[in-house]
Amino acid sequence: DIQLTQSPSTLSASVGHRVTITCRASRTLSGWLAWYQQKPGKAPKLLISKASNLESGVPSRFSGSGSQTEFTLTITSLQPDDVATYYCQHYNIYTPWTFGPGTKVEV
Amino acid sequence: QVQVKQSGTEVKKPGASVKVSCQVFGHTLSDLSLHWVRQAPGKGLEWMGGFDPEDGATVYAQTFLDRVKMTEDSSTATASMELSRLTSDDTAVYFCAAGLPFKPLAYWGQGSLVAVS
Repeated sequence: DIQLTQSPSTLSASVGHRVTITCRASRTLSGWLAWYQQKPGKAPKLLISKASNLESGVPSRFSGSGSQTEFTLTITSLQPDDVATYYCQHYNIYTPWTFGPGTKVEV
Repeated sequence: QVQVKQSGTEVKKPGASVKVSCQVFGHTLSDLSLHWVRQAPGKGLEWMGGFDPEDGATVYAQTFLDRVKMTEDSSTATASMELSRLTSDDTAVYFCAAGLPFKPLAYWGQGSLVAVS
């Protein structure tokens, strides 16, 4: 099965600053990577699919990039509402799905 | 607008089984790929299994292969996940989540707490 790692595990940044989270896969994902945001006590929310496709209604300060085994989620101008844990997920239909361990973002 | 509503809290003893259900509103269940994800207290998300539209069958994570069963009833737009031989490690919030075929999980239920004690 594909394993995902995320770095950093926790990050703290000031409002307005740029934040980048990295997700690395144990083998190529061919772009089948999604990013989710989860706030305490809530269900996860899908932010990005296919590595870089922003979901409808998600603020444009969020963006995704990457390919093969390395992917990034960037928040260009961190806002107080962005306090959450962010998870990457592999969703290729030919292998079992997996989530990364998560990155906790503090403001 | 798709909504996913899940069943309530369950408290079970070790060795017992639990069945968690969810109902989908606003979209035909058979046109969605439905999955189950759990989250232990203070831990990350763990994918348990889901419907593979390529094969037309449910795929389970290796961890749960021998004690989980996921079913769907299109007539009532209801899905269920039954987990057997529970231990304290199964204490978690269980999420029912769905997406369009070959897409990630865009629609999530509110979560169902299963406590094993």
